[in-house]
Amino acid sequence: DQQVKQNSPSLSVQEGRISILNCDYTNSMFDYFLWYKKYPAEGPTFLISISSIKDKNEDGRFTVFLNKSAKHLSLHIVPSQPGDSAVYFCAASSNSNSGYALNFGKGTSLLVTP
Amino acid sequence: GAGVSQSPSNKVTEKGKDVELRCDPISGHTALYWYRQRLGQGLEFLIYFQGNSAPDKSGLPSDRFSAERTGESVSTLTIQRTQQEDSAVYLCASSFTSGYSGELFFGEGSRLTVL
Repeated sequence: DQQVKQNSPSLSVQEGRISILNCDYTNSMFDYFLWYKKYPAEGPTFLISISSIKDKNEDGRFTVFLNKSAKHLSLHIVPSQPGDSAVYFCAASSNSNSGYALNFGKGTSLLVTP
Repeated sequence: GAGVSQSPSNKVTEKGKDVELRCDPISGHTALYWYRQRLGQGLEFLIYFQGNSAPDKSGLPSDRFSAERTGESVSTLTIQRTQQEDSAVYLCASSFTSGYSGELFFGEGSRLTVL
């Protein structure tokens, strides 16, 4: 069963605007959340993370928001740039997982148009 | 190279044949993971190695799948009697420890196509 869900398979945003990628999870034991970015023919690369003790983490143009009561997190990219076009995976882990192995969503393909 | 290296990058095989995929983790990384991504799906955890401890095989989908790792170096994922549903990109990742940072470093993957 899919414990991490990204319900939007794709998103298109104009350059300079805000991109908002959403993620929902079902396992209340998850306490660490990450976003990975993946370009075609490349492996995913780590983008930003957040611990469950926080509700916001910001790194440059990227901000992740966590709403534990709703079991929801989102990634905001402001301003969006064409180079941000990629597939974004939401991932979650808990200390009950093997070696903190990550549970991934199916990904959201972001297209930033000039 | 400095990153996680996987080979082959592409493998086409016939149903029923065995395949072996290789992963060279980043030097010094004690934790190694195998994931796979089937078309339209997320990354599915397969197996985890941490140092010389017994691997966690809880994600392996069937007994046709096995993996080995020698110490903290190369790992091989073997799929016996391949089936068409095994077609996927198999991704290897490594990290310094099994600790809580969650940051895994992924290779580019091995794309397996079973005809």
